[in-house]
Amino acid sequence: AQRVTQPEKLLSVFKGAPVELKCNYSYSGSPELFWYVQYSRQRLQLLLRHISRESIKGFTADLNKGETSFHLKKPFAQEEDSAMYYCALTTSGTYKYIFGTGTRLKVLA
Amino acid sequence: NAGVTQTPKFRVLKTGQSMTLLCAQDMNHEYMYWYRQDPGMGLRLIHYSVGEGTTAKGEVPDGYNVSRLKKQNFLLGLESAAPSQTSVYFCASGDTGTSVNEQFFGPGTRLTVL
Repeated sequence: AQRVTQPEKLLSVFKGAPVELKCNYSYSGSPELFWYVQYSRQRLQLLLRHISRESIKGFTADLNKGETSFHLKKPFAQEEDSAMYYCALTTSGTYKYIFGTGTRLKVLA
Repeated sequence: NAGVTQTPKFRVLKTGQSMTLLCAQDMNHEYMYWYRQDPGMGLRLIHYSVGEGTTAKGEVPDGYNVSRLKKQNFLLGLESAAPSQTSVYFCASGDTGTSVNEQFFGPGTRLTVL
C-alpha cells in the first residue's frame, strides 16, 4: 500500500539555522511527490513538487528513489517559515493524494 | 476568482444530528475531494469525485456520504453525527491540465459534535 511517513511532529530551529523536514514514502512504482504548507489561519497551498525541480521561498526537495525519500530543505530558516508542512504522494493515472501526518516547523528568533 | 469555498466555516452539532457541508469551486476542475484533518493524523481522504455525477470512497468514508450533481459543487453529508467526526474538514479541487496534479484547497470547516 502507498504510504507517506513524516517522522517528526514538531521541529524547532533557530532563525538562520538550516532546516530539513523528512519525508519517506512507500510505493513500488513512479510516484509524484509534493510538499504542501499551511501557514497560521491560511489554507493549505502547494509549496513545491518534485517534477518541477524548483526552489520556492528558498526551499528545495530532491526525490531520492533509492532511499524513497523527499526531504524538504532550506539552508537558512526564517521566522515566516513557521507553519505546518505536509508531504504528499500521488501516482500516475490515479486521482488520489496520500498525505503524511505533517510536521510543524517553528522557527525561533 | 474565489477559488475553492466552503460553507459553513464553523458548526456545532449534537450527536445524531445531520448536516451537509458545501464545497464550491470556480476553476472548472474535474476532480474534487473531501479530507478531514485531525491532530497527529494529518489529512485523510474521505471521498472524492473525478467528474460530475461520479463519487468514490477514500480512506475513511464510513459515516459520510457525498454527491456531485454539478461540476462546481461537491457536498459532504453526515447523516447521524458522532463525536468521532469532530474535525476540520477540507475540500480540494484539481485537474491534470496546466497544473499537474496540484490540489487547491478551501479554507476549511471546523465541526464539533457534542
